[in-house]
Amino acid sequence: QVQLQESGPGLVKPSQTLSLTCTVSGDSIKSGGHYWSWIRQPAGKGLEWIGRIHSSGSINYNPSLKSRVTMSVDTSKSQFSLKVTSVTAADTAVYYCARENRDSDYAFDCWGQGNLVTVSS
Amino acid sequence: QSVLTHPPSASGTPGQKVTVSCSGSRSNIGSGSVRWYQQLPGTAPRLLIYNNDQRPSGVPDRFSGSKSGTSASLAISGLQSDDEADYYCAVWDNSLNGWVFGGGIRLTVL
Repeated sequence: QVQLQESGPGLVKPSQTLSLTCTVSGDSIKSGGHYWSWIRQPAGKGLEWIGRIHSSGSINYNPSLKSRVTMSVDTSKSQFSLKVTSVTAADTAVYYCARENRDSDYAFDCWGQGNLVTVSS
Repeated sequence: QSVLTHPPSASGTPGQKVTVSCSGSRSNIGSGSVRWYQQLPGTAPRLLIYNNDQRPSGVPDRFSGSKSGTSASLAISGLQSDDEADYYCAVWDNSLNGWVFGGGIRLTVL
């Protein structure tokens, strides 16, 4: 059974960098069959896609966040990561990592439980 | 403001059929396939529908999806109390070169 687990600090100071890691178990990031995405959700609001990465190194970012976001993948650890620079209170949200499964038309078929990140001094 | 639009809420009584819609444009729904996600309170979203009308294993056939032109719909028949959740449509947008979500539809079971 595929499982994704986000990890990272729950509190980040304004203007600093938010860093999160997603560890994948039960599937291989190296297999190349899927994309791996980050999605966030401010409290009481909807879902916002942040970006995705493929084991080949191919990356797509949300244009509205592109200037502040960096994603990377470490296939040896079965992990992929997210960095968001110059954070503000508007970046406070639950951050989810998710798998885009090629076999289900690249739908997000598996999600982590979410990691709440609060931006506050 | 979301690229995909729909009413913010819907409601129905147990046993009823409810349909929620999602409207987009040629660069997203008009040129790609729609996914639908269900988010129960306090939990991560769950995939309900992919490729417009396909259900992953484990999703009851009470849930069905369709697409026509630049709009898509999710129908829930035999409404149950535990269907009360937020529902999101999602599609790849070729202009933005990324995924876009609807703002979420809050379904209330009366």
